[in-house]
Amino acid sequence: NAGVMQNPRHLVRRRGQEARLRCSPMKGHSHVYWYRQLPEEGLKFMVYLQKENIIDESGMPKERFSAEFPKEGPSILRIQQVVRGDSAAYFCASSRGQGNQPQHFGDGTRLSIL
Amino acid sequence: QQQVKQSPQSLIVQKGGIPIINCAYENTAFDYFPWYQQFPGKGPALLIAIRPDVSEKKEGRFTISFNKSAKQFSLHIMDSQPGDSATYFCAAMGGGYQKVTFGTGTKLQVIP
Repeated sequence: NAGVMQNPRHLVRRRGQEARLRCSPMKGHSHVYWYRQLPEEGLKFMVYLQKENIIDESGMPKERFSAEFPKEGPSILRIQQVVRGDSAAYFCASSRGQGNQPQHFGDGTRLSIL
Repeated sequence: QQQVKQSPQSLIVQKGGIPIINCAYENTAFDYFPWYQQFPGKGPALLIAIRPDVSEKKEGRFTISFNKSAKQFSLHIMDSQPGDSATYFCAAMGGGYQKVTFGTGTKLQVIP
């Protein structure tokens, strides 16, 4: 009964490179959420997806960031042309459905930009 | 209006003490209030949650108190243990928003 799986756990990129973060939701969950956590801060919502659809991307920076949740396979958070300020922990959560369903979090991907 | 304010920022208690973490919200449309516990290097883990039609909820040593009129809620940890040392986040959901709005976190240290 695996939980939310994120990989890689740690990712190092140089400025200008691309970062791809993957998230496999819990079994039976079709709703995926991405959050970003800066050091010593709370988590900030980025984007909410259901299969093949972006439902709410109000927390996503307008440029360089994109997310998808294809019909098959994990959800992907993609950051193009990374900058130092993108260094953070990125967490994925999943839930069973709509309404106030509990969200279960993965252990995150720690992105470091050199 | 989407903020959840949390205090204190950090807290040190002795083993057996009762740390209390307080949160306040503004958006009256919020209708689900989870608490998360996060250990270093791990993701937040759902600890306990409450809906505003209930004034108190207990699960093991963790109790949430909820004051709907004041738009405040708090977490009490009874008989705290060193293993409870972690960062605790209050949060809120609802009002048509699927996202979780987190407080800023409280770093709790329970000393033996």
